[in-house]
Amino acid sequence: AQTVTQSQPEMSVQEAETVTLSCTYDTSESNYYLFWYKQPPSRQMILVIRQEAYKQQNATENRFSVNFQKAAKSFSLKISDSQLGDTAMYFCAFMKLAGYGNKLVFGAGTILRVKS
Amino acid sequence: DAGVIQSPRHEVTEMGQEVTLRCKPISGHDYLFWYRQTMMRGLELLIYFNNNVPIDDSGMPEDRFSAKMPNASFSTLKIQPSEPRDSAVYFCASSLQGYFYEQYFGPGTRLTVT
Repeated sequence: AQTVTQSQPEMSVQEAETVTLSCTYDTSESNYYLFWYKQPPSRQMILVIRQEAYKQQNATENRFSVNFQKAAKSFSLKISDSQLGDTAMYFCAFMKLAGYGNKLVFGAGTILRVKS
Repeated sequence: DAGVIQSPRHEVTEMGQEVTLRCKPISGHDYLFWYRQTMMRGLELLIYFNNNVPIDDSGMPEDRFSAKMPNASFSTLKIQPSEPRDSAVYFCASSLQGYFYEQYFGPGTRLTVT
């Protein structure tokens, strides 16, 4: 079974600075996706960024980028120019691609607080 | 599109009562997922459907939980009888096979069982 580990329960960052959230995963699969989801206080789950395992190039979405290290099974999220609206719980998630079933396995989450 | 719709947003019930949570997926999506979020266990998948057929219910905690998807635009998650340990936020999500496998989540239902 796949597992996802987020070793930082809480982090804080000053507005406009850069922060990196860590995520490691354990799998024997070679074909999979990785995701970062954001859950603000409204509790709505919002997709931040997606990475296909077969792609070597790291995904980027505006201020959000990932550092995907497939051999190390590491998938960190970098948030540049942090904004107050980035305050949320961030979840790393793994999805195996194999016929039926695009199930998401989530990490425990990291609470990020952006301070003014 | 209105996104995934869940009702009710909040539900408070007494132990032993039946609870029904409802979900309307995004039109055209062929996968539907039910998740539960608690402080102790985090986000966990309960069951998912493909084209209205249950594919994997291994996450359903016990026989008190049941889920149905009678058509492509509606699903229910029922708990009977409810217990205080069922208190959690229940999310429904939907996705379209092959479309980057992105799952779109509803706003969740916060269930409190007293």
